[in-house]
Amino acid sequence: GENVEQHPSTLSVQEGDSAVIKCTYSDSASNYFPWYKQELGKGPQLIIDIRSNVGEKKDQRIAVTLNKTAKHFSLHITETQPEDSAVYFCAATLTGFQKLVFGTGTRLLVSP
Amino acid sequence: NAGVTQTPKFQVLKTGQSMTLQCAQDMNHNSMYWYRQDPGMGLRLIYYSASEGTTDKGEVPNGYNVSRLNKREFSLRLESAAPSQTSVYFCASSEGQTPAGYFGPGTRLTVT
Repeated sequence: GENVEQHPSTLSVQEGDSAVIKCTYSDSASNYFPWYKQELGKGPQLIIDIRSNVGEKKDQRIAVTLNKTAKHFSLHITETQPEDSAVYFCAATLTGFQKLVFGTGTRLLVSP
Repeated sequence: NAGVTQTPKFQVLKTGQSMTLQCAQDMNHNSMYWYRQDPGMGLRLIYYSASEGTTDKGEVPNGYNVSRLNKREFSLRLESAAPSQTSVYFCASSEGQTPAGYFGPGTRLTVT
């Protein structure tokens, strides 16, 4: 089955810096890769996703890149702000398959 | 539009007790999910329901049962709680090709 590894487990940056979180997956058949943001005491929120037919997707300050050959995908946050502080999770699955497999999360701390 | 709602928010059980976690969504989604979140382990799928009247096991179904009562509601039952079931439980729903697009606020369960 699918296995997703996520690094780093914690990431501290200064406000305005960029942050990059990386995930690798094991099942080459996986073709859907979402990212979630979880604030303290709340449920995860889907913030961006990418399908294997594209290599990059952007939404304002966040972007996701996918390298299918190497089986890894990354979340990029530019011009970080204190409100970006949260735990971020990556996940992977096959389109139409209901079983998302999550990474173990990255705690991002953005200091003013 | 409340999205995904869960009750209760907190619960403490003794070993061997039973309880049902309730989940409802008002987005007319076909698919609903139950996940558990443990420190350092990300989110793991317990059960899911792709449509009203169907349920399937996820990654960690042992010790749990589910009921898709109607299109809106999906409940999770612990028949005989064990300390290993201490966790935060999240319900999610989705439509189309995106699994678990919307998460509820979670239920924090402690089994002593």
